Amino acid sequence: QKEVEQNSGPLSVPEGAIASLNCTYSDRGSQSFFWYRQYSGKSPELIMFIYSNGDKEDGRFTAQLNKASQYVSLLIRDSQPSDSATYLCAVQPDNYGQNFVFGPGTRLSVLP
Amino acid sequence: EAQVTQNPRYLITVTGKKLTVTCSQNMNHEYMSWYRQDPGLGLRQIYYSMNVEVTDKGDVPEGYKVSRKEKRNFPLILESPSPNQTSLYFCASSLPALNEQFFGPGTRLTVL
Repeated sequence: QKEVEQNSGPLSVPEGAIASLNCTYSDRGSQSFFWYRQYSGKSPELIMFIYSNGDKEDGRFTAQLNKASQYVSLLIRDSQPSDSATYLCAVQPDNYGQNFVFGPGTRLSVLP
Repeated sequence: EAQVTQNPRYLITVTGKKLTVTCSQNMNHEYMSWYRQDPGLGLRQIYYSMNVEVTDKGDVPEGYKVSRKEKRNFPLILESPSPNQTSLYFCASSLPALNEQFFGPGTRLTVL
């Protein structure tokens, strides 16, 4: 059974701080990794994806992937109250299918 | 407007009464998926489809059926719903090789 684990939180950070969200996965052969944001009562929306080891930056967001440790993280710099949401980590075991495994999500609260 | 639509948005039914949740996308996406979301468990993939007449099981397919007769539609069928299928259901679609899934607004199903 492929598993994706996240700390459910809530993770509380003050406005302007860096929020660090972590995710581990069990399938060593996993190829693609995604971070989705889900506001309460809404559907998930993609923030970032990463395929290669290392860092990928997009505005205030940085995704970090370490395949050897089976670990992917999302850093949110200069956190804003509007970043308060649940962040879902998703793993795609291979690049040819459409099977995605999601973690349970981490609830982030950015305090003004 | 590019979107994924689901109907109905809310449904209360009784055990054993067959139901269908419809999903339609207007983005000409090849890939479509169904997920259920339960507290503490995150999103779990039920079925996915990579093209018309091509469907495959996700991680929790038991008790569900799907069909893909047209590219834009991907209905989810519960032949004999049971209370453990009470959940929030999301449909999603994406283009090949891009892997960004666009989610519908969700359908909250309660089976009594």
